[in-house]
Amino acid sequence: GAGVSQSPSNKVTEKGKDVELRCDPISGHTALYWYRQSLGQGLEFLIYFQGNSAPDKSGLPSDRFSAERTGGSVSTLTIQRTQQEDSAVYLCASSLGGQALTYEQYFGPGTRLTVT
Amino acid sequence: AQSVTQLDSHVSVSEGTPVLLRCNYSSSYSPSLFWYVQHPNKGLQLLLKYTSAATLVKGINGFEAEFKKSETSFHLTKPSAHMSDAAEYFCVVTPGFQKLVFGTGTRLLVSP
Repeated sequence: GAGVSQSPSNKVTEKGKDVELRCDPISGHTALYWYRQSLGQGLEFLIYFQGNSAPDKSGLPSDRFSAERTGGSVSTLTIQRTQQEDSAVYLCASSLGGQALTYEQYFGPGTRLTVT
Repeated sequence: AQSVTQLDSHVSVSEGTPVLLRCNYSSSYSPSLFWYVQHPNKGLQLLLKYTSAATLVKGINGFEAEFKKSETSFHLTKPSAHMSDAAEYFCVVTPGFQKLVFGTGTRLLVSP
C-alpha cells in the first residue's frame, strides 16, 4: 500500500521567505510526527499530532515554526521568515496510534529544504 | 531525561565479518529502545525494538540487539555483514512513549 508521502521533495528558498511543507500520512493512521534532520543537530523531534488532542509542540525550535493537521489527515509544516539554520531535511512519520512501543512509526522520504 | 549515546560515528567492516554498533542509554527507569536504519535516499526503517519481554531482541535482516541493564547498553549486532547493510543506523529512545529521541547515528561501511 501507499506509504507516507511528502512534498515537495526539494525546496530552495531565499532567506526571509515563508515555506510550507506537506505530509500525507498512511490512511487510517491517527498519529503524525514531524522531525528534522540536519548536520548540526542530528535527528530531532518537532511536533506530534494524535487524533483530536492538542498537539505536542515541545520540539519546535522557535515561534517561526508552526504546523497544522486538517481533518485528521494531511499535515502542513510552515516556517516563516526562513533562516539559513533552517536548512535541513524535514521528515514526517505516521503511526496507527500514539504509543511508540506499540505502534511503529513509518517515515516518509523527507523534504530537503535549502535556505540561501 | 532519557537519552542515548552512540559511541562510534563510523564503523567499517568487511563483507562476511561480524557487525557491532554500540549504544548506551541514560534513563532513570526502564527505557523503551529501538534501532532504526536509514539507507541512502530512503526513509527511516525500524530494525527492532526492546519491549522488556526479552533482553535479546531479534530484528529484520538478521540483526539483533541485547539489552544489558548493568551496562546500560543496547548494542546492535549481526553475525555476517552484507554489502546491502551499508547505511546509517540510529539508536533511539522514547521518553513519554510517543516521540522518538534519536542518537547521533553510526554510519556502517561494508567493503567487499
